Amino acid sequence: AQSVAQPEDQVNVAEGNPLTVKCTYSVSGNPYLFWYVQYPNRGLQFLLKYITGDNLVKGSYGFEAEFNKSQTSFHLKKPSALVSDSALYFCAVRDFSGTASKLTFGTGTRLQVTL
Amino acid sequence: NAGVTQTPKFQVLKTGQSMTLQCAQDMNHEYMSWYRQDPGMGLRLIHYSVGAGITDQGEVPNGYNVSRSTTEDFPLRLLSAAPSQTSVYFCASSYSKQGIYEQYFGPGTRLTVT
Repeated sequence: AQSVAQPEDQVNVAEGNPLTVKCTYSVSGNPYLFWYVQYPNRGLQFLLKYITGDNLVKGSYGFEAEFNKSQTSFHLKKPSALVSDSALYFCAVRDFSGTASKLTFGTGTRLQVTL
Repeated sequence: NAGVTQTPKFQVLKTGQSMTLQCAQDMNHEYMSWYRQDPGMGLRLIHYSVGAGITDQGEVPNGYNVSRSTTEDFPLRLLSAAPSQTSVYFCASSYSKQGIYEQYFGPGTRLTVT
């Protein structure tokens, strides 16, 4: 089965500094990878996805993610963090087993950006 | 478009009671799904549907039923609530059942079972 791992429960960064939220994956075949963000008391919002093509994927709110096949990683990055980026971030992988495609989520990483 | 809507926002049930969580989308999406979110466990798929009349089980289907009589609606029924079903429930929809496109999530229903 496909899976993703987010090794950090929480990431702390100062505003203006670069941020990285880590994700590694385990899939058979080509991976379809996603990042979602959840603000307090809200549903998840799509940030970006990797299907094929360039290893650096750009998404919403200035976020980008780097796909690395040899390291089986899909880390989320942003060059300069904002306090408003503080939220819960989920990595997900498409799992095409059974009758249709499904998303398998990681356990989430809480990003805390401070002044 | 309203997107994905869920009702109620909050619910408290006693053990053994039944209820239905409502989910609707107005984007004409084929694919709809229900997840539960628990601390430290991320989101886990309960049931999903690739179109009206078609449903399938996800990772944690026990204790839940679904049906999909229309494209727009995908209700989740708890048959006999248990404290282990205390969670936040999210409904999501997607244009493509192939999972190539992103999923759109509703605001969630926070359920407490006492």
